[in-house]
Amino acid sequence: QVQLQESGPGLVKPSETLSLTCTVSGGSVSSFYWSWIRQPAGKGLEWIGRMYASGITHYNPSLKSRVTMSEDTSKNQFSLKLTSVTAADTAVYYCARDLRHMDVWGQGTTVTVSS
Amino acid sequence: QSVLTQPPSASGTPGQRVTISCSGSSSNIGSNTVNWYQQLPGTAPKLLIYSNDQRPSGVPDRFSGSKSGTSASLAISGLQSEDEADYYCATWDDSLNGRVFGGGTKLTVL
Repeated sequence: QVQLQESGPGLVKPSETLSLTCTVSGGSVSSFYWSWIRQPAGKGLEWIGRMYASGITHYNPSLKSRVTMSEDTSKNQFSLKLTSVTAADTAVYYCARDLRHMDVWGQGTTVTVSS
Repeated sequence: QSVLTQPPSASGTPGQRVTISCSGSSSNIGSNTVNWYQQLPGTAPKLLIYSNDQRPSGVPDRFSGSKSGTSASLAISGLQSEDEADYYCATWDDSLNGRVFGGGTKLTVL
């Protein structure tokens, strides 16, 4: 059974880069698409983007200029980098396995952007 | 402002049937399948319905989904207190070339 676990700094300074990792257990990161989704406190879900291990990526147009996703097959992980963060990027960040639907989600990790 | 439109709230009493709507356009719901997610307070979203009307293993048959044209609906019959949660619709948008969510509907069981 596939399980996902997000990890990364809980606090990032404005203008810096947010970096998160999602570790995949019970399955291979080389298969399927993998997505990142975020949720500001008290608000709805926002899809950030998805990647396939072959290098195929799709990003939310509103974030595309700041987002990079990549994978580390040796560690069975995939990652998210979001540059030039502001307070508006404060949210719970989720990773998810993405088939034609997102069927397995991590528990989420809270990232706060503050000096 | 979300690409998909959901009512912000819905409510019902135990045992009732409630429906939650999700409205989109030809570039998203009109040409792709719809998925629904349930988010209980303080937890990660959980896949509830996929491919318009399919239930993952373990999801009670009280939950059902449908799609017609550029709209979709989630129905919950025999409402229970544990159904109190936020519900989100989602699909792929061909124009944006990405996934889109509805703004979410908070379901209250009275």
